[in-house]
Amino acid sequence: DIQLTQSPSFLSASVGDRVTITCRASQGISSYLAWYQQKPGKAPKLLIYAASTLQSGVPSRFSGSGSGTEFTLTISSLQPEDFATYYCQQLNSYPVTFGGGTKVEIK
Amino acid sequence: QVTLRESGPALVKPTQTLTLTCTFSGFSLSTSGMCVSWIRQPPGKALEWLALIDWDDDKYYSTSLKTRLTISKDTSKNQVVLTMTNMDPVDTATYYCARIPGETGHFDYWGQGTLVTVSS
Repeated sequence: DIQLTQSPSFLSASVGDRVTITCRASQGISSYLAWYQQKPGKAPKLLIYAASTLQSGVPSRFSGSGSGTEFTLTISSLQPEDFATYYCQQLNSYPVTFGGGTKVEIK
Repeated sequence: QVTLRESGPALVKPTQTLTLTCTFSGFSLSTSGMCVSWIRQPPGKALEWLALIDWDDDKYYSTSLKTRLTISKDTSKNQVVLTMTNMDPVDTATYYCARIPGETGHFDYWGQGTLVTVSS
């Protein structure tokens, strides 16, 4: 199975900060990587797919980059509604796998 | 408008078999490239992928759970069913179904999730 390792697992930041979350794959996954945002009690919401394609309706402060084994999700200017947990996910090959999550909290 | 909704028991006893149904609308699982999957999340923990079925009736399972899982579809009813045998308290989780629309392998629509508690 392909393992996805997210770092950091916890992040404390202030409104307006630039935030970067990393997802590393245990083997190359081309660009078959997606990012999700999840708020308490809610289903995950797709932010980015194919490593860097912004899902329709998602604010442009979110961006994704990377290919192969290293990927990043960047929030250019953190907003109050962005405090949540973020997950990466791959489907380069089965089984599908998710990263362990990064919780972004208010400093 | 794409929607997915999970249904099933809220409480199951240890050793019982869990059957969950995902009823969807706004798309057809007979469309080339379309897939529906099950994902779960224990309270306070990360997402865990369980199983996937595609438009061609190919099925894929979590490595660690594959002996306990069966996924199937009824295209005419727009439903995907997941069964999980020999339930244990560690299987307590919110269970989600979600759609993959094509080749890029991302989940673009999710159900609201259903909490399943395993307890005697």
